[in-house]
This record gives sequence, C-alpha cells and structure tokens, in this order.
Amino acid sequence: GNSVTQMEGPVTLSEEAFLTINCTYTATGYPSLFWYVQYPGEGLQLLLKATKADDKGSNKGFEATYRKETTSFHLEKGSVQVSDSAVYFCALDSGGGADGLTFGKGTHLIIQP
Amino acid sequence: DTAVSQTPKYLVTQMGNDKSIKCEQNLGHDTMYWYKQDSKKFLKIMFSYNNKELIINETVPNRFSPKSPDKAHLNLHINSLELGDSAVYFCASSRVTRELFFGEGSRLTVL
Repeated sequence: GNSVTQMEGPVTLSEEAFLTINCTYTATGYPSLFWYVQYPGEGLQLLLKATKADDKGSNKGFEATYRKETTSFHLEKGSVQVSDSAVYFCALDSGGGADGLTFGKGTHLIIQP
Repeated sequence: DTAVSQTPKYLVTQMGNDKSIKCEQNLGHDTMYWYKQDSKKFLKIMFSYNNKELIINETVPNRFSPKSPDKAHLNLHINSLELGDSAVYFCASSRVTRELFFGEGSRLTVL
C-alpha cells in the first residue's frame, strides 16, 4: 500500500537557519506529492505540490523537488522565521479513487528568536 | 468567505452520548472527507463521499456514520461516544485534482 515517512520532530531551529524536513514515499504508479502546513489551532493548508518527477513546488520561500529515483520530496527553506513554527505534513495522492491523500505523521517545527 | 466550515469548533460530552459535527463547503467540490487527528497529530482518513458513493475506511467503528444531505454538506454522527474518540476531526473537500481544502477542525473531548 501507499505510505509516507517523515522525519520525526520536534525540529527546533534558530531564526534565519536553513531548514530541511525529509519525506520519502512508497506508492505504485506516479503519485502527486504535497506539503501541507498546520498552524496552531488551525486546519491544514496546502503549502506546495508537485505532480510529476523533477517538478519543483515552491511557496512562501519553501521548496520541494519531486525525486522519483530516491522516492523523496524533501521540504527546504533557506532562512526560517518564527512565524514558520507549525506542523508540516508530507502527503501523496496515487489517484486511486475517492480515498483522499495519504499523509505522513507530521513534523513539528519550532523556530526560536 | 470560509471555504470549508465546520461546527461546532469545540465539543465536550460524556461517554455514551451521541453527537454530530456539521461540515459545509462552498467551493463546488465533488468529494468531501472526514479525517481524525489524534493527540500526536497523526491524520487518518475516516470517510470520503463522492457523488453519493461512500468509501469507508475499514478501521472506523460503525458507531461513526456520515450523512450527506447534498453535495455541499457532509455531517459526521457519532453514537455511544467512547474516551478513545477524543480527537480533532477535520472535514475536507476536493475536486478532481484532489488538492484538499480543510476546515478548521472540531475538537471533541469525551469525559
């Protein structure tokens, strides 16, 4: 079956540090890949996505590249801010009917001033 | 305007009670979902509903039942609540692209 594996948190960084959150997946076919962000007390919001190999999704300074050869979709940001503190979810959609997305367990990111 | 809205946002109740959470989306999406998020933030899909086709995650107890009066609404009804049902429940919707739009969540606490 499909699965998504993320690095476990919490990840604690200082402001302006470089961020990487690892995500690898297992799926049949050619899934679309997503990063969602959940700020405290809120629902999940789409951060970025990529629909085919070598695509790069980007938004709000975050980037992730769809690497089929390593089945990875690592999230990166060059200089994090306190406002980036949130839980980040990697997810995949294998297109198998109305069964939603398969999510990773989430990575809690804490940015300290 | 809120795209996916859920009510109530907080729900505190006793074991054994029955409760409902309502969800509405104004995005014109065809598919709606219910997800459960536990205390460790793990998200698990419970149901999806598309053009009157209900797909149920086989691990969901039959005490949970979705009800869809129309394409814009998918309510969640829970019978005989148990302590382990305490969680945050998220409604979501999507179109063919399957990019999910989430509501703000409904935090259920069972005492």
